[in-house]
Amino acid sequence: DSGVTQTPKHLITATGQRVTLRCSPRSGDLSVYWYQQSLDQGLQFLIQYYNGEERAKGNILERFSAQQFPDLHSELNLSSLELGDSALYFCASSKGTSGASFTDTQYFGPGTRLTVL
Amino acid sequence: GENVEQHPSTLSVQEGDSAVIKCTYSDSASNYFPWYKQELGKRPQLIIDIRSNVGEKKDQRIAVTLNKTAKHFSLHITETQPEDSAVYFCAASTNAGKSTFGDGTTLTVKP
Repeated sequence: DSGVTQTPKHLITATGQRVTLRCSPRSGDLSVYWYQQSLDQGLQFLIQYYNGEERAKGNILERFSAQQFPDLHSELNLSSLELGDSALYFCASSKGTSGASFTDTQYFGPGTRLTVL
Repeated sequence: GENVEQHPSTLSVQEGDSAVIKCTYSDSASNYFPWYKQELGKRPQLIIDIRSNVGEKKDQRIAVTLNKTAKHFSLHITETQPEDSAVYFCAASTNAGKSTFGDGTTLTVKP
């Protein structure tokens, strides 16, 4: 158990709908990362938050958005869902140093499996 | 942006043999290189990592080497066991926090 929790574990919804995925980082971690893993594919970095602020952006679609709250949990919002959005969505957290380096070890949550029908 | 290439995409070895997976990266600003093991349907788990000020790191049967000049790093697993069978991902990260992953290597260790 990495200490990172994600809810829900599974989510089945229809095209055009909107869903929210939730992540709670490890105690003391300030950075949260979101990744998408489609079937038989690698991990695509979506976005990173550090202490409530967006820190880095990857290949995140405009239909997707995220935020990190004062208690450091994070939510990933996916809207106007398409069949191709079906994937495993992982959240990871890391300490997030206050210095120049953000290259901390990332610990992954168990993931949320999203199925869009 | 950063591009990470990982080879081979599949690797099959006999139990007890060694396995080597290689990654190259393009962004010279990358300075953190973790390796993750992912079993089917489970989360990626960090197995070893290396930072740009170190050339080699070893942890029991697992070692990672880094060549900053050539921009490549490799994972070495010795005395492989069936439980080593999984998908392995390399990644390259910069100070800005952005992480780029390789496409993964499916390792099969035959008993």
